[in-house]
Amino acid sequence: EAGVTQSPTHLIKTRGQQATLRCSPISGHTSVYWYQQALGLGLQFLLWYDEGEERNRGNFPPRFSGRQFPNYSSELNVNALELEDSALYLCASSFKATYEQYFGPGTRLTVT
Amino acid sequence: AQSVSQHNHHVILSEAASLELGCNYSYGGTVNLFWYVQYPGQHLQLLLKYFSGDPLVKGIKGFEAEFIKSKFSFNLRKPSVQWSDTAEYFCAVKFRDNNDMRFGAGTRLTVKP
Repeated sequence: EAGVTQSPTHLIKTRGQQATLRCSPISGHTSVYWYQQALGLGLQFLLWYDEGEERNRGNFPPRFSGRQFPNYSSELNVNALELEDSALYLCASSFKATYEQYFGPGTRLTVT
Repeated sequence: AQSVSQHNHHVILSEAASLELGCNYSYGGTVNLFWYVQYPGQHLQLLLKYFSGDPLVKGIKGFEAEFIKSKFSFNLRKPSVQWSDTAEYFCAVKFRDNNDMRFGAGTRLTVKP
């Protein structure tokens, strides 16, 4: 069974640009979660999508947004990039909202 | 606010020592509890989980955790650590009233051979 996949592996952008990160969940999983893992800060919850709808978002500004497609894959968009957006962005999926989450390898975003 | 705290940022042990990593969460009603591990260069993996039933749960690689409801705690234990257990360990709590998932800041475990 294929795990959660994310692309790209690395992304380098300059301040003010936009970044798009992609995630494909495990087959059969309908919930997708996005987290930011910045150095020394653990995992900070960003967004949760289930059945195509945004169900919850963490304490991040509106320039962090995303969507979930009919095939349950998801996209995270970060607009007007700032230096402090540099982090590892993790995607996770679960069968149902209350079940355990399975994580992808992450996308390392570097903003210069 | 719902939160999860892990007591230790960095733990250093010698091989064969016993391990206990603390995890506490803020009160929030019914919870599902998890421990995840991130080995160097690898992605987060589920170590064990608690949903209901026996509060002592066993996971992979000899790890276990005990849910103590009265203390809002879910501590991770291993009787005898190995060098290969060197990793970062994250406690996570799903608060069932709003399905919010919160992670602790993580504990870095270094096991000396």
